Amino acid sequence: DADVTQTPRNRITKTGKRIMLECSQTKGHDRMYWYRQDPGLGLRLIYYSFDVKDINKGEISDGYSVSRQAQAKFSLSLESAIPNQTALYFCATSDRDTEAFFGQGTRLTVV
Amino acid sequence: GESVGLHLPTLSVQEGDNSIINCAYSNSASDYFIWYKQESGKGPQFIIDIRSNMDKRQGQRVTVLLNKTVKHLSLQIAATQPGDSAVYFCAENIGHYKLSFGAGTTVTVRA
Repeated sequence: DADVTQTPRNRITKTGKRIMLECSQTKGHDRMYWYRQDPGLGLRLIYYSFDVKDINKGEISDGYSVSRQAQAKFSLSLESAIPNQTALYFCATSDRDTEAFFGQGTRLTVV
Repeated sequence: GESVGLHLPTLSVQEGDNSIINCAYSNSASDYFIWYKQESGKGPQFIIDIRSNMDKRQGQRVTVLLNKTVKHLSLQIAATQPGDSAVYFCAENIGHYKLSFGAGTTVTVRA
């Protein structure tokens, strides 16, 4: 089983719809992150959480919200999806001083 | 703003040769750098990391070099194999172990 699991793996949604991407981890890490990847660009940080009660905006948080339901679960929501949110989304976890471990990604298409 | 960037978007290398992937960064306060490998359809995977108090670190077939004077990071892969074909990202810690990623270099190994 993967250490970081993202669901769904692929999703096509219509403009204006609300969509939630889910992430769960079995590594027992406190820190969780959501990144977005676009073609030709590196990963950009959307939101991050250092524990259940700590949520922080990243560099591109507009149009997104998150919920840290438990240490192991961190979900990303698009309240009203728009086409320029079409991208590959990655969840990641890390311990205090270690590298981040990434999920397999969710490919989201907004039409 | 400050960012991490890679010198070349693509690199073609003959199987068995050594590969060198370069990365320039601009945040002189960064204290931790990581190289990730991303294969098609997968999330980024950790390759090797280095802290700013080091200038070289070796792993299995990989070496990371850090030159703080010119703010340059490189990844060397020895005896490149077909399985090394992937996109390689450098990333820097921009504070609290949030990562800022470069755009990536696509490495293609020729048989």
